Amino acid sequence: GAVVSQHPSRVICKSGTSVKIECRSLDFQATTMFWYRQFPKQSLMLMATSNEGSKATYEQGVEKDKFLINHASLTLSTLTVTSAHPEDSSFYICSASDRNTDTQYFGPGTRLTVL
Amino acid sequence: SQQGEEDPQALSIQEGENATMNCSYKTSINNLQWYRQNSGRGLVHLILIRSNEREKHSGRLRVTLDTSKKSSSLLITASRAADTASYFCATETSGSRLTFGEGTQLTVNP
Repeated sequence: GAVVSQHPSRVICKSGTSVKIECRSLDFQATTMFWYRQFPKQSLMLMATSNEGSKATYEQGVEKDKFLINHASLTLSTLTVTSAHPEDSSFYICSASDRNTDTQYFGPGTRLTVL
Repeated sequence: SQQGEEDPQALSIQEGENATMNCSYKTSINNLQWYRQNSGRGLVHLILIRSNEREKHSGRLRVTLDTSKKSSSLLITASRAADTASYFCATETSGSRLTFGEGTQLTVNP
């Protein structure tokens, strides 16, 4: 089956630093990738839709200058949390939509802890 | 705001019993999907039901969709301790955009 990977799986950083999370579709091409955030014991909240070769579309309330998204190729999207603060600590999950089947596949998630 | 609302929020049953989770949504959808998430892990896709379908089966899973009531249910039959997880419904609208429900935490006691 289709596989989506995320790197790193877990990251701990100091307040004020920037953290980059990678999302890769390993065996299919994804014109669209999605980034979600999940706080403990809560549901997934869509942050942004990342389209290959164009600017990401952000959901209401999500700061585009704080959460930088780059989708430079059909297999890679990156989310950079800039000037991270403790309230940014969360589980970040990406998904990738297979352009041939329209099926969405989820990555294993990245646990971000900001001290 | 969340498209989907699920009930119950938490469900605790004995092994062998059936578990039923419900999901309601507000807008028109292309399809509705159910996912499972073990604590601290990623999502596992369970089943997808399209807006023109009313019922779908996959192994011990049975999903129903009532578009007139904008609701869906997930039934897990003959539950096992390994079914313990959080279960989320997600509605797909235009552009493959998924909106997740609040989730049901299922605990199956051995």
